[in-house]
Amino acid sequence: QVQLVQSGAEVKKPGSSVRVSCRASGEAFGSYTLTWVRQAPGQGLEWLGGVLPVFGTTKYARKFQTRLTITADEATRTVYMELSSLRSNDTAVYYCARGHDWFAPWGPGTPVTVSS
Amino acid sequence: EIVLTQSPGTLSVSPGESITLSCRASQSVTSSFLAWYQQKPGQAPRLLIYGASYRPTGVPDRFSGRGSGTDFSLTISTLEPEDFAVYYCQQYGSSPGTFGQGTKLDIK
Repeated sequence: QVQLVQSGAEVKKPGSSVRVSCRASGEAFGSYTLTWVRQAPGQGLEWLGGVLPVFGTTKYARKFQTRLTITADEATRTVYMELSSLRSNDTAVYYCARGHDWFAPWGPGTPVTVSS
Repeated sequence: EIVLTQSPGTLSVSPGESITLSCRASQSVTSSFLAWYQQKPGQAPRLLIYGASYRPTGVPDRFSGRGSGTDFSLTISTLEPEDFAVYYCQQYGSSPGTFGQGTKLDIK
């Protein structure tokens, strides 16, 4: 059974970057896709992209392609999501989740606040 | 991209009742690749249904999904107090995968 632990809350200035980590334990890391989904305050869910660590292949939502980077470190069983050129509407809880079709389980979420 | 519209937006019901939530797609969802999630305040979403009607291990059998094409539904029979939450549908048949806006289930 996969368990996901995410890094802590972040507060960032507009124009800066944020990196959020997601460490997986349980079944063989690398053999499954890890996906990032975000949720703005009081809003619904938005798929950002994902990575298949064993091949390092990534897939991004078109609207984030120019400022989103997802990487994986098999040695530490950790996936990273880096979002650059932050603006106020990037304020959200960022979740990692196992899977590339449906998603289960999910990490607990990392709140990211973008504010001047 | 496929737009999913969930209805109703909010539903107020009493424990013990049975309810059906709707998820309608703007175009046909390939191979019924549709999932449902439950989200409680301050928690991450939890997968309830995938492939339109398949329940993962550990999900109570009072949750059932059905549908194909553009019309899908989630039925919760005999609501328990812990079922009051927000429910999202998600299609993964076409890229990018997309979510509905959610249905909030309130205690009446």
